Amino acid sequence: AQTVTQSQPEMSVQEAETVTLSCTYDTSESDYYLFWYKQPPSRQMILVIRQEAYKQQNATENRFSVNFQKAAKSFSLKISDSQLGDAAMYFCAYSYEKLTFGTGTRLTIIP
Amino acid sequence: KAGVTQTPRYLIKTRGQQVTLSCSPISGHRSVSWYQQTPGQGLQFLFEYFSETQRNKGNFPGRFSGRQFSNSRSEMNVSTLELGDSALYLCASRPDGLYGYTFGSGTRLTVV
Repeated sequence: AQTVTQSQPEMSVQEAETVTLSCTYDTSESDYYLFWYKQPPSRQMILVIRQEAYKQQNATENRFSVNFQKAAKSFSLKISDSQLGDAAMYFCAYSYEKLTFGTGTRLTIIP
Repeated sequence: KAGVTQTPRYLIKTRGQQVTLSCSPISGHRSVSWYQQTPGQGLQFLFEYFSETQRNKGNFPGRFSGRQFSNSRSEMNVSTLELGDSALYLCASRPDGLYGYTFGSGTRLTVV
């Protein structure tokens, strides 16, 4: 069974600084998708970034980028120039036939 | 383009009752999946429907069921509610052949 592990329950970062959230996963599949989702207090799950496993190039979306290490089964999220609106729960998710989520990392932005 | 719409947003039910939650996907999305979110168990996959057929099912008891209509709208039903069924139920839809799931705002179910 696929599993997703987020080892950092909570993280904090100064506004305008950079923070990296960690995620590892376990799978025997070779072709799959990985995601980072953000869930603010409004509880709406918002897609932050997506990575296809067959692509070696790391995905980037504005201030958000990932470090995808397929052999190590690692998928970290880097947030640059952190903003107050980035404060939320961040979930790493793996997709092969269904979405499997990690336990989440609560990110606090310090003004 | 309208997003994924879940109704109702909040629901309070009594133990032993049954409940039906509704999800309208983004127009053109034929795949709809459901997830349960609780503080203790986190986010867990319930089931996925595609073109009115259940394509995948999570590890939940038979009290949890779903269906999808020809317009891709989906409903989830929980019978004989238990206190432990109190959770945020999230629905997500995605386009054919792609894996970018768009979520609704969820239905907060409280069982008393």
